[in-house]
Amino acid sequence: KAGVTQTPRYLIKTRGQQVTLSCSPISGHRSVSWYQQTPGQGLQFLFEYFSETQRNKGNFPGRFSGRQFSNSRSEMNVSTLELGDSALYLCASSLSRVSSTGELFFGEGSRLTVL
Amino acid sequence: KNEVEQSPQNLTAQEGEFITINCSYSVGISALHWLQQHPGGGIVSLFMLSSGKKKHGRLIATINIQEKHSSLHITASHPRDSAVYICAVGRYTGNQFYFGTGTSLTVIP
Repeated sequence: KAGVTQTPRYLIKTRGQQVTLSCSPISGHRSVSWYQQTPGQGLQFLFEYFSETQRNKGNFPGRFSGRQFSNSRSEMNVSTLELGDSALYLCASSLSRVSSTGELFFGEGSRLTVL
Repeated sequence: KNEVEQSPQNLTAQEGEFITINCSYSVGISALHWLQQHPGGGIVSLFMLSSGKKKHGRLIATINIQEKHSSLHITASHPRDSAVYICAVGRYTGNQFYFGTGTSLTVIP
């Protein structure tokens, strides 16, 4: 059974650019959640998509957005990049909602560097 | 105030020692997760608990819902257990998910 796949694994952008990250969940999983990890703030919840709808969102500005497609694949987008957006972005898939009792399966992450 | 507090932040142990990592939370939860992160970033889910106790090999996780506290125990620790261990909680209310700051464990041969 294939795991959670995130692309790209590494990318470098400059301030002001925008970036799109992709996450393909485990087959049959309907929940995809996104997380940001930085040395200063640790892991933080960005948002969750379930059945193509954003179900909840963490405390991040509107520059951070996402969507989910009918095959459950998800993308997240960060516009007008700032230096502080440099981070490891992780996605996780689950059969049920993250607020429920579903086990989470994480991808390897996309490491974004903003110069 | 963080919704999830972990202790200790850093832990060094000799191979074979019994290790305990603690997690306290301040909100009502639907489930608590223990996660393991090795250098390089990949995160693996070790346990998901909503009550009681679970055991996988040398790892044991317990949760006390009334006291809002969970512990992760590693028996007979091994250098390959060296990693960051992260506690996370999910809430039905507001459909939110919160992380602890992690415990960095180093097991010395």
